[in-house]
Amino acid sequence: DAGVTQSPTHLIKTRGQQVTLRCSPKSGHDTVSWYQQALGQGPQFIFQYYEEEERQRGNFPDRFSGHQFPNYSSELNVNALLLGDSALYLCASSWRGTDKSTDTQYFGPGTRLTVL
Amino acid sequence: KQEVTQIPAALSVPEGENLVLNCSFTDSAIYNLQWFRQDPGKGLTSLLLIQSSQREQTSGRLNASLDKSSGRSTLYIAASQPGDSATYLCAVAGTSGSRLTFGEGTQLTVNP
Repeated sequence: DAGVTQSPTHLIKTRGQQVTLRCSPKSGHDTVSWYQQALGQGPQFIFQYYEEEERQRGNFPDRFSGHQFPNYSSELNVNALLLGDSALYLCASSWRGTDKSTDTQYFGPGTRLTVL
Repeated sequence: KQEVTQIPAALSVPEGENLVLNCSFTDSAIYNLQWFRQDPGKGLTSLLLIQSSQREQTSGRLNASLDKSSGRSTLYIAASQPGDSATYLCAVAGTSGSRLTFGEGTQLTVNP
């Protein structure tokens, strides 16, 4: 059973460019959350997707957007990249189901984004 | 707004020592609390999850306690080993399936 997978592993972009990161949730999971982790800090919540809709959003600008596909995989898009967007981007999956949810979130290995 | 604090920020101990990592949170209305381990440049591995109705959870040499009323949790590691060296993160969820609010972590080094 594959866990949460993310691609690419590493990415280097320049200021002003756009980037797309991808996440496949753990088998059986239907909810994907994205986190940004700057060096030496704890992860910060970006947003969560369930049933192909953004359900919760953290304190991030509109340059950060996402999408969830019918197979539950998800993309994180960042436009107009800034130097401060350099970070490890983590994807987490969980199962919400219809009327209950599992509590443990499973994290992927992350994508290391460097903005020059 | 929930805030999570972890003390100490870094800890270096000799192999075999028992140690305690601390986590505090400002809003006691939590749904659960999780402890994670993170190796350098890697993702997060869930170690223990404590529901708000529970007082503690144990897994092997790890024991996590939760005192919701005082807004505190501790992670106890018994007989530490060099392989325990990593950053340990504490995170709280406000409701079921909701976002996690993380502390900044404790960087643990266990010296042989």
